[in-house]
Amino acid sequence: KQEVTQIPAALSVPEGENLVLNCSFTDSAIYNLQWFRQDPGKGLTSLLLIQSSQREQTSGRLNASLDKSSGRSTLYIAASQPGDSATYLCAVRVEYGNKLVFGAGTILRVKS
Amino acid sequence: EAEVAQSPRYKITEKSQAVAFWCDPISGHATLYWYRQILGQGPELLVQFQDESVVDDSQLPKDRFSAERLKGVDSTLKIQPAELGDSAMYLCASSRTWASGSTDTQYFGPGTRLTVL
Repeated sequence: KQEVTQIPAALSVPEGENLVLNCSFTDSAIYNLQWFRQDPGKGLTSLLLIQSSQREQTSGRLNASLDKSSGRSTLYIAASQPGDSATYLCAVRVEYGNKLVFGAGTILRVKS
Repeated sequence: EAEVAQSPRYKITEKSQAVAFWCDPISGHATLYWYRQILGQGPELLVQFQDESVVDDSQLPKDRFSAERLKGVDSTLKIQPAELGDSAMYLCASSRTWASGSTDTQYFGPGTRLTVL
C-alpha cells in the first residue's frame, strides 16, 4: 500500500528565506507526483506536476524535484513571502490506476 | 477558466440527520472524484466515477455513504445518518479521460466543510 509522508509537519520562517519541504513515498511505482497548495478552509490548487520520467519542474519561485528510485521529492521555495503561508500537500498518482495518495501536508508560515 | 463547482460551501448538521453535497465538474471531464479531508490530514479518496459508473469505492463507508452520477455529469454524495466523526472537508475533483482509459490532471473544487454536532 502506497504511503506518503511529509516533513516537517509545520514550518515558520522569516520573510525572504529560502526553504525546502520534503515528501517521501513507499512505493516507487508512481505515474507522477504533484505538489498542491491549500489555504485555510479552501480547496486545493495545483502548483507543480512532475512525471515519473522527469527529475524536476520549475514555476516562478518554486522548484520541485523527484528522485523516484529513492522515493523522495522536495519543493524548494525561493525568497519566501507572507503570501506563501499555506499548507503544502504532496500527492503521488499510483502507476496502475488514477488514484492520488496524499501526504498530511506541511503547514508553512512566513513571518513579515 | 472553467472550475469545479461544489455546494453548499458549509453545512452544519446534527448527528443522525441526513446531508447531501453536490458537485458539478468541469465540462467534458469524464472522471469525477470525491475526497474526504479530516482536519490535519491529507485528502483520502472516497469514490471515483468514470462517466456514470463507479470505478473505485473501496474506501466509501457504504453503510451510511452513497454517491451517484446518474447522467455522467454532476454528482451527489450523501451521508445518512451523519455521525460526529464525519466532520471534515469534502472535496470534489474532475479530470479528462484519454481513450486509453488513463486520466489527466485532477482539478479540485472549493470543498464543502461539514460540521456534525
